[in-house]
Amino acid sequence: DAKTTQPNSMESNEEEPVHLPCNHSTISGTDYIHWYRQLPSQGPEYVIHGLTSNVNNRMASLAIAEDRKSSTLILHRATLRDAAVYYCILRDESGGSNYKLTFGKGTLLTVNP
Amino acid sequence: DTGVSQNPRHKITKRGQNVTFRCDPISEHNRLYWYRQTLGQGPEFLTYFQNEAQLEKSRLLSDRFSAERPKGSFSTLEIQRTEQGDSAMYLCASSLGPRGEETQYFGPGTRLLVL
Repeated sequence: DAKTTQPNSMESNEEEPVHLPCNHSTISGTDYIHWYRQLPSQGPEYVIHGLTSNVNNRMASLAIAEDRKSSTLILHRATLRDAAVYYCILRDESGGSNYKLTFGKGTLLTVNP
Repeated sequence: DTGVSQNPRHKITKRGQNVTFRCDPISEHNRLYWYRQTLGQGPEFLTYFQNEAQLEKSRLLSDRFSAERPKGSFSTLEIQRTEQGDSAMYLCASSLGPRGEETQYFGPGTRLLVL
């Protein structure tokens, strides 16, 4: 799977929006963009995914650049419970039997009260 | 849907001992994964099963590690002759669906400490 680049850490204030960036300049046409997050002392949890169009769900929004070389995870109103490590991962639909997730170090989001 | 469960949640063992971890996936999920996570790093893939077949193993999975998924249900991960470097969080995940859009559901992990 193609590589992603994320900032090591970001900080936000409670109830403010948070924009978490991800660069994936080598993305291929069949790569889906997935986001997972990992709260302290828990396993990762799925947040959202998309291919070309922007996506919204109850947890977050995903904005995908027109050239697909970058994307942004948007938390509309950060809460203390959103403090976590956020991982941006590319998944290739055409990858045959390769189903594993390849995690980087992610972005550690700190939310201040 | 009770989610993915893992047992035990914590394990302390002495170097050289064998340990076994269990993962119970979400019942209808046909794929099951094992990952390992050390402090400050993202999870690293170890192996995965589709039903009872083990389809891929990472080079991280030395010959001291073995995983099984009898009858395509729960899975066990055994580490023989543990070493201090095996100390980590061992995560299990399960999934269903086409590859690109697949969502993996993770358990809480088993934290192993080898003394």
